[in-house]
Amino acid sequence: GAGVSQSPSNKVTEKGKDVELRCDPISGHTALYWYRQSLGQGLEFLIYFQGNSAPDKSGLPSDRFSAERTGGSVSTLTIQRTQQEDSAVYLCASSLSAGLRANVLTFGAGSRLTVL
Amino acid sequence: KQEVTQIPAALSVPEGENLVLNCSFTDSAIYNLQWFRQDPGKGLTSLLLIQSSQREQTSGRLNASLDKSSGRSTLYIAASQPGDSATYLCASSNDYKLSFGAGTTVTVRA
Repeated sequence: GAGVSQSPSNKVTEKGKDVELRCDPISGHTALYWYRQSLGQGLEFLIYFQGNSAPDKSGLPSDRFSAERTGGSVSTLTIQRTQQEDSAVYLCASSLSAGLRANVLTFGAGSRLTVL
Repeated sequence: KQEVTQIPAALSVPEGENLVLNCSFTDSAIYNLQWFRQDPGKGLTSLLLIQSSQREQTSGRLNASLDKSSGRSTLYIAASQPGDSATYLCASSNDYKLSFGAGTTVTVRA
């Protein structure tokens, strides 16, 4: 597609429920990234994919968080047993390849998650 | 761990004034430094990317400088307009990971 698409744009859920957030990167971009933006804070790196592999998952906050990428394209971020502190905007980005020496990231509009 | 700080957190200026946004980072071993713009409810738009070997980049009314040795970058926006109102984020990169500051929220008053 022309840009990075994320869905849903807004999600309100009850504490303890599971949620799935979807990211559809720009066609042909092999690298995909997930960041989290909490209120009043900077963006926090969660995980990145090169193809279908995730060389760095170190930013995932807990084992309730997982992500996968299939076919080198769409990625899903899953949060199990959501907690109120999970409320944030989850941003996805993609780039032509993983190295950021010269590759610019293109961000999606984000998925705003509110856990009641 | 890279720490990126942006000062001030918020800025309000009358239309036509020049804007100066500051960004500092603790680890000078960066690949590049990027400036982004974020509008409410929208994703980030890349404004300028300065490679570690460069001192500055310019695009229209925007100019960004980089001083790796002191761990600082500055974004200048000349002759500000109400449409420049947004949050501006700087981010340093090391290989595949961006480290972001918390941003400076700019309001340009007409």
